[in-house]
Amino acid sequence: ETGVTQTPRHLVMGMTNKKSLKCEQHLGHNAMYWYKQSAKKPLELMFVYSLEERVENNSVPSRFSPECPNSSHLFLHLHTLQPEDSALYLCASSTRPGLASSYEQYFGPGTRLTVT
Amino acid sequence: SQQGEEDPQALSIQEGENATMNCSYKTSINNLQWYRQNSGRGLVHLILIRSNEREKHSGRLRVTLDTSKKSSSLLITASRAADTASYFCATDASNNDMRFGAGTRLTVKP
Repeated sequence: ETGVTQTPRHLVMGMTNKKSLKCEQHLGHNAMYWYKQSAKKPLELMFVYSLEERVENNSVPSRFSPECPNSSHLFLHLHTLQPEDSALYLCASSTRPGLASSYEQYFGPGTRLTVT
Repeated sequence: SQQGEEDPQALSIQEGENATMNCSYKTSINNLQWYRQNSGRGLVHLILIRSNEREKHSGRLRVTLDTSKKSSSLLITASRAADTASYFCATDASNNDMRFGAGTRLTVKP
């Protein structure tokens, strides 16, 4: 257990559905991240929240909508997804680094999403 | 955008042998990290090496960093079947967010 939980672990949804992924961290971290992991591709950073404010959005399509209501919870709202959005979605948390500091990220187990 | 690139993409060895994986990157870094991922699971942090360090050890793991060649290697000594996993290097980008490579898939045969 890394201290980061994700629900659901598996999700199958149609292209017209709306669903949400949830992430919760119990580590007292102040930064949280969403990553997308597709087969044989590098991890793609989707969103970064630091102190509950979004600090980075790597040109993610608007059909993915993040929400960070507090430093312990992170959501990813999904709507009108495409089959190519099928992937493992990983949440991570860390302390937010300063200019000279280094940090490690703690990952949740991921949500395996299949879009039909 | 991808920063680290691991090599080889896949590696298969016998239990007890050493496994070496390499990582190359393009821009200057503050630190480089190695992570492990069991199939379909989240990543687990293994080791961090700072840009002013050349070598670091943690148990059976040995990491080297050559900033002049922009490369790092991860050595797992006396491998075990339980070491079977994907291994990723991650480098910090200019804003301190990490960029991961596509990983090396290691298979250790019992």
